[in-house]
Amino acid sequence: EAQVTQNPRYLITVTGKKLTVTCSQNMNHEYMSWYRQDPGLGLRQIYYSMNVEVTDKGDVPEGYKVSRKEKRNFPLILESPSPNQTSLYFCASSQGLTPGELFFGEGSRLTVL
Amino acid sequence: EDQVTQSPEALRLQEGESSSLNCSYTVSGLRGLFWYRQDPGKGPEFLFTLYSAGEEKEKERLKATLTKKESFLHITAPKPEDSATYLCAVQAANYGQNFVFGPGTRLSVLP
Repeated sequence: EAQVTQNPRYLITVTGKKLTVTCSQNMNHEYMSWYRQDPGLGLRQIYYSMNVEVTDKGDVPEGYKVSRKEKRNFPLILESPSPNQTSLYFCASSQGLTPGELFFGEGSRLTVL
Repeated sequence: EDQVTQSPEALRLQEGESSSLNCSYTVSGLRGLFWYRQDPGKGPEFLFTLYSAGEEKEKERLKATLTKKESFLHITAPKPEDSATYLCAVQAANYGQNFVFGPGTRLSVLP
């Protein structure tokens, strides 16, 4: 089954404790992206990757890091989480060069105390 | 500045009561406009892609249309299972593979 898998789905952590949210897709998609969703603000892009070893900032990259060492994986790293990073995070992937639909993961709800 | 807005913010319908959701956009060089459905606690699920003004797409009770400045999602005779948040997103020539999402319309269909 084609899917985008995120882990963990739920996480409560404390300010400053480094964490990683993993994302894996099994569709051989070139493009992967991270979004955060906050009430009233909609989905905002954090980082995206056009292919292995190619990453770039989205609209709200501050406080986040990403890496793309393999095509299927695109982890989101919060080096020193802060309460304003409490949000619902989605990983998404897409087929490639032409405009195409995004396939989303189920989401990871993060709370930073 | 490129923008995507959606209206209304929330909509309540009785089962069978048809209506439309609006997505207005201001971008340069539209490559595609996308509609997604999002159920509570889930990731958005793709519904339609529209590429050019005048284009229409249909799926069950949903029909999406596109003009040069806006898109409509028409819901005909909705059922309670159509209750969800509907998101539109645009992909513009200067975005590469990136998308800008609107804030969504939260639809409730009452039995």
